[in-house]
Amino acid sequence: AQSVAQPEDQVNVAEGNPLTVKCTYSVSGNPYLFWYVQYPNRGLQFLLKYITGDNLVKGSYGFEAEFNKSQTSFHLKKPSALVSDSALYFCAVRDQYTGGFKTIFGAGTRLFVKA
Amino acid sequence: EPEVTQTPSHQVTQMGQEVILRCVPISNHLYFYWYRQILGQKVEFLVSFYNNEISEKSEIFDDQFSVERPDGSNFTLKIRSTKLEDSAMYFCASREGTGDEKLFFGSGTQLSVL
Repeated sequence: AQSVAQPEDQVNVAEGNPLTVKCTYSVSGNPYLFWYVQYPNRGLQFLLKYITGDNLVKGSYGFEAEFNKSQTSFHLKKPSALVSDSALYFCAVRDQYTGGFKTIFGAGTRLFVKA
Repeated sequence: EPEVTQTPSHQVTQMGQEVILRCVPISNHLYFYWYRQILGQKVEFLVSFYNNEISEKSEIFDDQFSVERPDGSNFTLKIRSTKLEDSAMYFCASREGTGDEKLFFGSGTQLSVL
């Protein structure tokens, strides 16, 4: 079975400071890992993904994430937060070989960036 | 950029009534999904659909739920007899399936069961 944990309900950061949103996962095989962002009254938008290769992946809007297999983590990071980054962030996983067709989402972390 | 479209954006229904939520996935995508989100919280998997059949479903997706792709473009979710606890935002998503693993989501249908 696959699962995703986002340990923080909310992350608060000042504009211009670095931000980290944490995610850990559990799969039987190798993971496909994703981050999605949701703005109010909108669907989820893809930010970035890890499929294979370089552990550091870069995505939209200056976000990046690092895949750490030993810690089963895929934390989302950005060097300098913007007020416009305030949104709900979801980590997601799909098992490459045994996960079937579904992508499983974490509970979400609300990011609040203060000016 | 191509997008997934969902209609209606809001649906209000009485308990026990049937509702159909409609989605038009991106045209060259092969995998289709329904998810739901209650009160802006966790996004829950309902069902995946591939090659004109259900490929996987969650325990939420009981006999009251069904999906259909009637005409090669639309993808519908039917709830036969709605319950109060079915009130949620329902998202349709699609995936190309040729190595690009990301999901494209619609803007959702907010279902309110009274």
